[in-house]
Amino acid sequence: DVKVTQSSRYLVKRTGEKVFLECVQDMDHENMFWYRQDPGLGLRLIYFSYDVKMKEKGDIPEGYSVSREKKERFSLILESASTNQTSMYLCASSKPSKRHSYEQYFGPGTRLTVT
Amino acid sequence: RKEVEQDPGPFNVPEGATVAFNCTYSNSASQSFFWYRQDCRKEPKLLMSVYSSGNEDGRFTAQLNRASQYISLLIRDSKLSDSATYLCVVKGGEYGNKLVFGAGTILRVKS
Repeated sequence: DVKVTQSSRYLVKRTGEKVFLECVQDMDHENMFWYRQDPGLGLRLIYFSYDVKMKEKGDIPEGYSVSREKKERFSLILESASTNQTSMYLCASSKPSKRHSYEQYFGPGTRLTVT
Repeated sequence: RKEVEQDPGPFNVPEGATVAFNCTYSNSASQSFFWYRQDCRKEPKLLMSVYSSGNEDGRFTAQLNRASQYISLLIRDSKLSDSATYLCVVKGGEYGNKLVFGAGTILRVKS
């Protein structure tokens, strides 16, 4: 069974703290993604990776960085958390793209609150 | 203008009703289209791909109109378990391999 896990379901951090969100997938997928989901805005892509040690900026990378040292693990880092980074963070993974059979598998999400 | 736009709803319908959602996308070069379903406090999951000729999966029918750049999802004989948020998703063109998500349409099916 397909599985994407995230290190925490709920997280509360203070402004200025460094925050690490971990994502692990057990499907040997090449592609991994980090999104944030906010009411009325849908899912927005922060960063993605098509291979180990490779990363690409998504639509809203400011204030975030990522690390992919192993194929199964993709970490999202908030260098200095701010209140506007309070959100639901979703990790996803996929095989390389095929036109109509492309599916991203999501983890359960981490609800991050920055106070 | 958002790249993928959906009516946020909520759509409140009785069990057994037929309900339809529409979605419009701005990038005419988009190549692939999907509907994802997201239950309350859960992660999104792929519901179905949308093919140019339209396609059906049980009670669900998806249609694509490239000329008007819209996608639709029709649910027949609604069940309580269909209550969820339905996300319209596009891929391809200038988006490359990235998925672009709409904000979702909320469906509530009531007994």
